[in-house]
Amino acid sequence: DVKVTQSSRYLVKRTGEKVFLECVQDMDHENMFWYRQDPGLGLRLIYFSYDVKMKEKGDIPEGYSVSREKKERFSLILESASTNQTSMYLCASSTGPKGYYEQYFGPGTRLTVT
Amino acid sequence: LAKTTQPISMDSYEGQEVNITCSHNNIATNDYITWYQQFPSQGPRFIIQGYKTKVTNEVASLFIPADRKSSTLSLPRVSLSDTAVYYCLVGDIAGNQFYFGTGTSLTVIP
Repeated sequence: DVKVTQSSRYLVKRTGEKVFLECVQDMDHENMFWYRQDPGLGLRLIYFSYDVKMKEKGDIPEGYSVSREKKERFSLILESASTNQTSMYLCASSTGPKGYYEQYFGPGTRLTVT
Repeated sequence: LAKTTQPISMDSYEGQEVNITCSHNNIATNDYITWYQQFPSQGPRFIIQGYKTKVTNEVASLFIPADRKSSTLSLPRVSLSDTAVYYCLVGDIAGNQFYFGTGTSLTVIP
């Protein structure tokens, strides 16, 4: 059974802190994604990666960076957390980089920045 | 970028057929239409995908008219466990962008 895991289900951080959200997939997928989900705004793509050490900006990359040192792991980094980054963060992986390919999602991390 | 528009919410009684329509007026020739389902406290999961006409699997049916500017997800005889948010996604194999949209929150009422 395919599996995408995220390091935390709930996280509370203070404004200005550096925050790491980790995602691991066990399906040997080349492509991984980070989304944030907010009420009324749906899922919005932050960054995606189509190979180790490769990354591309999504729709809302400002305030975020990513790291992909190993194929199975994709990290989302908030360099200096702000209250407007309070959100649900979802990681996904896929066999292909585009919208056509099925994406497998993790359970999400609910981040609160105070 | 082919954006999608869906109703924000829908209610249905148990046992009824539910149809959720997604509008994608700017769909490109090579775009496919994919639907995801998201239960509370879980990530979305793929349920069905199609290019034109009709596709059916064990979960749902997907109807796509000839102009492909819209699509309809059909859930037969819904149960309480079908309460979820349903997302319509348009994207192709070669394109770089895809758009999940805001989704439709379906509530099934006993």
